[in-house]
Amino acid sequence: AQSVAQPEDQVNVAEGNPLTVKCTYSVSGNPYLFWYVQYPNRGLQFLLKYITGDNLVKGSYGFEAEFNKSQTSFHLKKPSALVSDSALYFCAVRDKSSGDKLTFGTGTRLAVRP
Amino acid sequence: KAGVTQTPRYLIKTRGQQVTLSCSPISGHRSVSWYQQTPGQGLQFLFEYFSETQRNKGNFPGRFSGRQFSNSRSEMNVSTLELGDSALYLCASSLAGEGNQPQHFGDGTRLSIL
Repeated sequence: AQSVAQPEDQVNVAEGNPLTVKCTYSVSGNPYLFWYVQYPNRGLQFLLKYITGDNLVKGSYGFEAEFNKSQTSFHLKKPSALVSDSALYFCAVRDKSSGDKLTFGTGTRLAVRP
Repeated sequence: KAGVTQTPRYLIKTRGQQVTLSCSPISGHRSVSWYQQTPGQGLQFLFEYFSETQRNKGNFPGRFSGRQFSNSRSEMNVSTLELGDSALYLCASSLAGEGNQPQHFGDGTRLSIL
């Protein structure tokens, strides 16, 4: 069975500093990996995905993520955080045999202080 | 292009009642998935429909059911409501349900059981 771990419930960072939100996964075969963001009282918004190819994936709003197969990780990064990045971030995995079923991590709350 | 539309946004029911939630996917999208989001359990997959057929099902009791119409619109039904069914129910659509395309989420229906 596939699973995702987000080890940090909350990440605090100062505006302008780089941020990292961690994610590790477990899946049989090659994974499809996704990051989503959720703002209060809203649904999930797609940020970026890794399907195959280059290990560094660039997404929306300046976010990027690095796929590391040996460490089964897919950490989300941004070089310079904004206060408006404060939200709940979810990592998700989908294996090729499960159709559209996404397995989510527990989420990491990012707080960016001015 | 309009996004995923879920109706209603908010719903209050009492124990024992039944409820139907509606989801209109992005135009052209044929796969619709449903998720339940609660503070305790996080995001959990309910089921996925593709071309009017249920393709995947999560670990929820039979009180939770769904269907998809020929225009790809989907409904989910919960019968004999329990207090623990209080949650945000999210619908997501994707183009072809092949797993390598991101799912696009609606803003959800917040269901409260009294």
